[in-house]
Amino acid sequence: SAVISQKPSRDICQRGTSLTIQCQVDSQVTMMFWYRQQPGQSLTLIATANQGSEATYESGFVIDKFPISRPNLTFSTLTVSNMSPEDSSIYLCSVEGWDRNEQFFGPGTRLTVL
Amino acid sequence: QQQVKQSPQSLIVQKGGISIINCAYENTAFDYFPWYQQFPGKGPALLIAIRPDVSEKKEGRFTISFNKSAKQFSLHIMDSQPGDSATYFCAAENSGGYQKVTFGTGTKLQVIP
Repeated sequence: SAVISQKPSRDICQRGTSLTIQCQVDSQVTMMFWYRQQPGQSLTLIATANQGSEATYESGFVIDKFPISRPNLTFSTLTVSNMSPEDSSIYLCSVEGWDRNEQFFGPGTRLTVL
Repeated sequence: QQQVKQSPQSLIVQKGGISIINCAYENTAFDYFPWYQQFPGKGPALLIAIRPDVSEKKEGRFTISFNKSAKQFSLHIMDSQPGDSATYFCAAENSGGYQKVTFGTGTKLQVIP
């Protein structure tokens, strides 16, 4: 299994500002995933981040709004840029298990935008 | 075609009862069907998973039933306990090539004493 930590665990931000969320894994992994989970909703994949290459974004998500860094095999950041109240959500990072099917999730970052 | 439909949205079960959550999918390329359990303030965690070559998988009190022809699968929680109170997500994956998990909409289960 993989142990994943995220920082911050929660934040309250003002409209128009940006927040960078950090994701740290206790082992080296090839692929990392960023999800958004709006209150009481399911998980929506934002992007997939491979080390050494540009992140792959899902439909409806763009790099200018959600820039991602993946500097090494254990770390990634997601920035939520120019925030609006609609960005209020839980942001989760995840990694694949050794068999590539199971995903391990971090505890999430609860973001509130005022 | 990528959707996974899940029902019910919420469920209240008496302690000791059976909790049943249903999911349906459309994409026949899906070949791995996990269930995730999420407690408040935590990320989802894999509970149990099944591949379409079997019709049932049981782990302790948790059983997945899979109907390939109907493209449906369900989670049964036997002898439900208050500690099972959580949100449950079914999911589906095409494990070949680019891995992408499609999640159901979630079921909030409450087990009352």
